Amino acid sequence: GENVEQHPSTLSVQEGDSAVIKCTYSDSASNYFPWYKQELGKRPQLIIDIRSNVGEKKDQRIAVTLNKTAKHFSLHITETQPEDSAVYFCAAEGEYGNKLVFGAGTILRVKS
Amino acid sequence: GAVVSQHPSRVICKSGTSVKIECRSLDFQATTMFWYRQFPKQSLMLMATSNEGSKATYEQGVEKDKFLINHASLTLSTLTVTSAHPEDSSFYICSAWTSSSTDTQYFGPGTRLTVL
Repeated sequence: GENVEQHPSTLSVQEGDSAVIKCTYSDSASNYFPWYKQELGKRPQLIIDIRSNVGEKKDQRIAVTLNKTAKHFSLHITETQPEDSAVYFCAAEGEYGNKLVFGAGTILRVKS
Repeated sequence: GAVVSQHPSRVICKSGTSVKIECRSLDFQATTMFWYRQFPKQSLMLMATSNEGSKATYEQGVEKDKFLINHASLTLSTLTVTSAHPEDSSFYICSAWTSSSTDTQYFGPGTRLTVL
């Protein structure tokens, strides 16, 4: 089945700097890759997603890149703000349609 | 985006009792609902996939007789933790998916279960 690895596990950046979180997946048949932001005790919120027919997608300060050949995708946050501090999870659509397999998560801390 | 609710948001129960958690899609019909468990500082682990009108599909290692899932309608799925024990204490989150949402899953707010 699908396996998703996420790095780093924690990331501290200064306000205004960029943050990059990377994920790799194992199943070459996966074709949907969402990123979720989760604040303590809250539900995961979808922040951006990408499908396999696209190499890059951007939404304001957030962008995601996908390299299907290498089976990895990355989240890029520019001009980070303290409110970006949260846990970020990547996910890949597993072998059975819409089932998602999540990465272990990255704790992002933005220092002001 | 679509709205998914969960009830209760927090429950404390005694060991040996059963707890039912409801997951509702409020403004769309969910073809499929997923149940996840999340331990502190860990990722979301899929427990089971629930399709309306059919039996749930459980992930390896998840006891189907302990975690009873019912998906009686396109807007409601329930998870019952039977004979709960302290090790079942966790954050339980549901998500809902519909074919019209392409691949996007919409998450409920979660239920914090504490078993004493």
